[in-house]
Amino acid sequence: NAGVTQTPKFRVLKTGQSMTLLCAQDMNHEYMYWYRQDPGMGLRLIHYSVGEGTTAKGEVPDGYNVSRLKKQNFLLGLESAAPSQTSVYFCASSYIQGKGGTDTQYFGPGTRLTVL
Amino acid sequence: AQTVTQSQPEMSVQEAETVTLSCTYDTSENNYYLFWYKQPPSRQMILVIRQEAYKQQNATENRFSVNFQKAAKSFSLKISDSQLGDTAMYFCAFMKWGRNYGGSQGNLIFGKGTKLSVKP
Repeated sequence: NAGVTQTPKFRVLKTGQSMTLLCAQDMNHEYMYWYRQDPGMGLRLIHYSVGEGTTAKGEVPDGYNVSRLKKQNFLLGLESAAPSQTSVYFCASSYIQGKGGTDTQYFGPGTRLTVL
Repeated sequence: AQTVTQSQPEMSVQEAETVTLSCTYDTSENNYYLFWYKQPPSRQMILVIRQEAYKQQNATENRFSVNFQKAAKSFSLKISDSQLGDTAMYFCAFMKWGRNYGGSQGNLIFGKGTKLSVKP
Protein backbone atom coordinates (compact mmCIF):
# COMPACT_ATOMS: atom_id res chain seq x y z
CA ASN A 1 0.00 0.00 0.00
CA ALA A 2 1.93 3.03 -1.28
CA GLY A 3 -0.72 5.63 -0.37
CA VAL A 4 -0.45 8.73 -2.54
CA THR A 5 2.47 9.00 -4.94
CA GLN A 6 3.52 11.86 -7.19
CA THR A 7 5.65 11.90 -10.32
CA PRO A 8 8.10 13.58 -10.80
CA LYS A 9 9.62 14.77 -7.50
CA PHE A 10 11.52 17.66 -9.09
CA ARG A 11 11.29 19.45 -12.41
CA VAL A 12 12.77 22.55 -14.02
CA LEU A 13 10.97 24.14 -16.95
CA LYS A 14 11.58 27.10 -19.19
CA THR A 15 8.88 29.71 -19.61
CA GLY A 16 6.34 28.54 -22.15
CA GLN A 17 7.05 24.83 -21.83
CA SER A 18 4.35 22.39 -20.88
CA MET A 19 4.30 19.46 -18.51
CA THR A 20 2.01 17.09 -16.64
CA LEU A 21 2.23 16.09 -13.00
CA LEU A 22 0.88 12.66 -12.15
CA CYS A 23 -0.80 11.73 -8.88
CA ALA A 24 -1.73 8.16 -8.08
CA GLN A 25 -3.49 6.68 -5.04
CA ASP A 26 -4.13 3.07 -4.14
CA MET A 27 -6.64 3.63 -1.31
CA ASN A 28 -9.74 3.57 -3.52
CA HIS A 29 -10.51 7.16 -2.56
CA GLU A 30 -13.24 9.00 -4.43
CA TYR A 31 -11.87 12.49 -3.99
CA MET A 32 -8.57 13.87 -5.18
CA TYR A 33 -7.04 17.33 -4.93
CA TRP A 34 -4.17 19.40 -6.24
CA TYR A 35 -2.64 22.10 -4.04
CA ARG A 36 0.27 24.47 -4.43
CA GLN A 37 2.49 25.70 -1.62
CA ASP A 38 4.42 28.94 -1.91
CA PRO A 39 6.96 30.31 0.61
CA GLY A 40 5.28 31.76 3.68
CA MET A 41 1.89 30.44 2.63
CA GLY A 42 -0.24 27.49 3.48
CA LEU A 43 -1.44 25.18 0.77
CA ARG A 44 -3.95 26.58 -1.71
CA LEU A 45 -6.33 24.46 -3.73
CA ILE A 46 -5.88 24.48 -7.51
CA HIS A 47 -8.41 21.90 -8.73
CA TYR A 48 -10.19 18.94 -7.27
CA SER A 49 -12.20 15.91 -8.36
CA VAL A 50 -15.12 14.23 -6.63
CA GLY A 51 -14.98 11.13 -8.80
CA GLU A 52 -13.76 9.56 -12.00
CA GLY A 53 -14.48 11.79 -14.97
CA THR A 54 -15.24 14.88 -12.87
CA THR A 55 -13.15 17.94 -12.07
CA ALA A 56 -13.79 21.34 -10.49
CA LYS A 57 -11.92 24.58 -9.90
CA GLY A 58 -10.41 25.47 -6.58
CA GLU A 59 -9.06 28.74 -5.26
CA VAL A 60 -6.22 29.29 -7.78
CA PRO A 61 -7.08 27.42 -11.01
CA ASP A 62 -5.74 29.82 -13.65
CA GLY A 63 -2.98 28.40 -15.84
CA TYR A 64 -3.71 24.78 -14.89
CA ASN A 65 -5.84 21.98 -16.28
CA VAL A 66 -6.67 18.62 -14.76
CA SER A 67 -8.05 15.28 -15.78
CA ARG A 68 -9.39 12.27 -13.87
CA LEU A 69 -9.77 9.53 -16.45
CA LYS A 70 -9.19 6.77 -13.91
CA LYS A 71 -10.29 6.73 -10.29
CA GLN A 72 -6.78 6.19 -9.01
CA ASN A 73 -5.08 8.92 -11.07
CA PHE A 74 -5.36 12.70 -11.09
CA LEU A 75 -3.26 14.65 -13.59
CA LEU A 76 -2.29 18.31 -13.33
CA GLY A 77 -1.22 20.03 -16.54
CA LEU A 78 0.59 23.27 -17.22
CA GLU A 79 0.10 24.20 -20.87
CA SER A 80 2.45 27.20 -20.94
CA ALA A 81 4.52 27.46 -17.78
CA ALA A 82 5.21 30.85 -16.22
CA PRO A 83 7.67 31.83 -13.47
CA SER A 84 4.68 32.54 -11.19
CA GLN A 85 3.98 28.80 -11.25
CA THR A 86 7.24 28.04 -9.48
CA SER A 87 6.00 26.24 -6.39
CA VAL A 88 5.72 22.93 -4.58
CA TYR A 89 2.70 20.97 -5.74
CA PHE A 90 0.89 18.51 -3.51
CA CYS A 91 -1.70 15.96 -4.40
CA ALA A 92 -4.13 14.58 -1.83
CA SER A 93 -6.99 12.10 -1.72
CA SER A 94 -9.84 11.26 0.62
CA TYR A 95 -12.99 9.20 1.03
CA ILE A 96 -16.47 10.58 0.48
CA GLN A 97 -17.64 12.33 3.62
CA GLY A 98 -19.85 10.13 5.71
CA LYS A 99 -19.37 7.06 3.56
CA GLY A 100 -16.49 5.22 5.07
CA GLY A 101 -13.08 6.26 6.14
CA THR A 102 -12.44 9.38 8.11
CA ASP A 103 -12.65 12.04 5.37
CA THR A 104 -9.08 12.93 6.18
CA GLN A 105 -7.00 14.01 3.24
CA TYR A 106 -3.81 12.02 2.70
CA PHE A 107 -1.03 13.82 0.92
CA GLY A 108 1.64 12.81 -1.54
CA PRO A 109 5.29 13.78 -1.04
CA GLY A 110 5.10 16.85 -3.28
CA THR A 111 6.70 17.97 -6.55
CA ARG A 112 9.08 20.91 -6.58
CA LEU A 113 8.65 22.79 -9.86
CA THR A 114 10.88 25.65 -10.96
CA VAL A 115 10.00 27.72 -14.01
CA LEU A 116 12.87 29.80 -15.36
CA ALA B 1 -15.60 32.57 2.94
CA GLN B 2 -13.63 30.73 5.54
CA THR B 3 -10.26 31.97 6.76
CA VAL B 4 -7.67 30.38 9.04
CA THR B 5 -5.16 32.48 10.95
CA GLN B 6 -2.01 31.30 12.68
CA SER B 7 -0.58 34.28 14.50
CA GLN B 8 2.77 32.75 15.46
CA PRO B 9 5.11 32.51 12.44
CA GLU B 10 7.85 30.88 14.52
CA MET B 11 8.17 29.26 17.93
CA SER B 12 10.81 27.36 19.79
CA VAL B 13 10.71 25.02 22.76
CA GLN B 14 13.19 23.04 24.78
CA GLU B 15 13.16 19.30 24.44
CA ALA B 16 10.77 17.63 26.93
CA GLU B 17 8.82 20.85 27.53
CA THR B 18 5.29 21.71 26.46
CA VAL B 19 4.35 24.15 23.71
CA THR B 20 1.03 25.46 22.43
CA LEU B 21 0.42 26.60 18.87
CA SER B 22 -2.48 28.97 18.20
CA CYS B 23 -5.06 28.89 15.44
CA THR B 24 -8.21 30.92 14.92
CA TYR B 25 -10.70 30.63 12.12
CA ASP B 26 -13.66 32.46 10.75
CA THR B 27 -16.75 30.72 9.43
CA SER B 28 -20.51 30.94 9.46
CA GLU B 29 -20.81 27.17 9.17
CA ASN B 30 -21.98 25.08 12.10
CA ASN B 31 -20.65 21.73 10.93
CA TYR B 32 -17.01 21.42 10.02
CA TYR B 33 -13.72 19.72 10.75
CA LEU B 34 -10.46 21.17 11.97
CA PHE B 35 -7.05 19.65 11.44
CA TRP B 36 -3.45 20.09 12.40
CA TYR B 37 -0.91 18.93 9.83
CA LYS B 38 2.82 18.66 10.37
CA GLN B 39 5.34 19.29 7.59
CA PRO B 40 8.90 18.27 8.51
CA PRO B 41 11.90 19.20 6.34
CA SER B 42 11.12 16.16 4.20
CA ARG B 43 8.13 18.21 2.97
CA GLN B 44 5.63 15.39 3.58
CA MET B 45 2.29 16.61 4.97
CA ILE B 46 1.41 14.44 7.95
CA LEU B 47 -1.89 14.52 9.80
CA VAL B 48 -1.35 15.19 13.49
CA ILE B 49 -4.88 15.44 14.83
CA ARG B 50 -8.44 16.21 13.76
CA GLN B 51 -11.51 17.56 15.52
CA GLU B 52 -15.16 17.39 14.50
CA ALA B 53 -16.96 20.61 15.40
CA TYR B 54 -20.00 18.77 16.78
CA LYS B 55 -17.87 17.01 19.38
CA GLN B 56 -17.41 18.88 22.63
CA GLN B 57 -14.58 16.66 23.79
CA ASN B 58 -11.14 17.82 22.73
CA ALA B 59 -9.24 15.40 20.51
CA THR B 60 -6.02 13.81 21.75
CA GLU B 61 -3.39 11.70 20.03
CA ASN B 62 -0.61 10.58 22.35
CA ARG B 63 1.47 13.70 23.12
CA PHE B 64 -0.75 15.93 20.97
CA SER B 65 -3.98 17.48 22.15
CA VAL B 66 -6.18 20.34 21.10
CA ASN B 67 -8.14 23.02 22.90
CA PHE B 68 -11.21 23.55 20.75
CA GLN B 69 -13.28 26.59 21.65
CA LYS B 70 -16.14 26.67 19.16
CA ALA B 71 -17.72 29.91 20.32
CA ALA B 72 -14.38 31.68 20.21
CA LYS B 73 -13.45 29.95 16.93
CA SER B 74 -10.15 28.89 18.38
CA PHE B 75 -8.28 25.63 17.83
CA SER B 76 -4.90 25.43 19.54
CA LEU B 77 -2.49 22.50 19.48
CA LYS B 78 -0.59 21.46 22.59
CA ILE B 79 2.51 19.32 22.23
CA SER B 80 3.65 17.71 25.47
CA ASP B 81 7.11 16.28 26.15
CA SER B 82 8.45 17.88 22.96
CA GLN B 83 10.90 15.78 20.98
CA LEU B 84 13.52 16.76 18.41
CA GLY B 85 11.45 14.99 15.78
CA ASP B 86 8.62 17.44 16.38
CA THR B 87 10.64 20.15 14.63
CA ALA B 88 8.52 21.08 11.62
CA MET B 89 6.04 23.50 10.13
CA TYR B 90 2.60 23.07 11.61
CA PHE B 91 -0.49 23.98 9.63
CA CYS B 92 -3.98 24.45 10.95
CA ALA B 93 -6.72 23.66 8.42
CA PHE B 94 -10.50 23.96 8.16
CA MET B 95 -12.94 21.86 6.15
CA LYS B 96 -16.68 22.31 5.79
CA TRP B 97 -18.97 19.34 6.27
CA GLY B 98 -22.11 18.62 4.34
CA ARG B 99 -24.26 15.62 3.46
CA ASN B 100 -24.69 16.68 -0.16
CA TYR B 101 -21.07 16.17 -0.86
CA GLY B 102 -20.10 17.03 -4.35
CA GLY B 103 -19.37 20.68 -4.01
CA SER B 104 -16.53 22.35 -2.18
CA GLN B 105 -17.27 20.94 1.25
CA GLY B 106 -14.19 18.77 1.25
CA ASN B 107 -11.72 21.49 0.40
CA LEU B 108 -9.15 22.25 3.06
CA ILE B 109 -8.46 25.88 3.94
CA PHE B 110 -4.99 26.23 5.42
CA GLY B 111 -3.37 28.80 7.66
CA LYS B 112 0.08 30.09 6.80
CA GLY B 113 1.79 27.84 9.29
CA THR B 114 3.94 28.03 12.41
CA LYS B 115 7.56 26.96 12.26
CA LEU B 116 8.36 25.03 15.43
CA SER B 117 11.93 24.35 16.49
CA VAL B 118 12.63 21.91 19.31
CA LYS B 119 16.01 22.61 20.91
CA PRO B 120 18.10 19.99 22.71
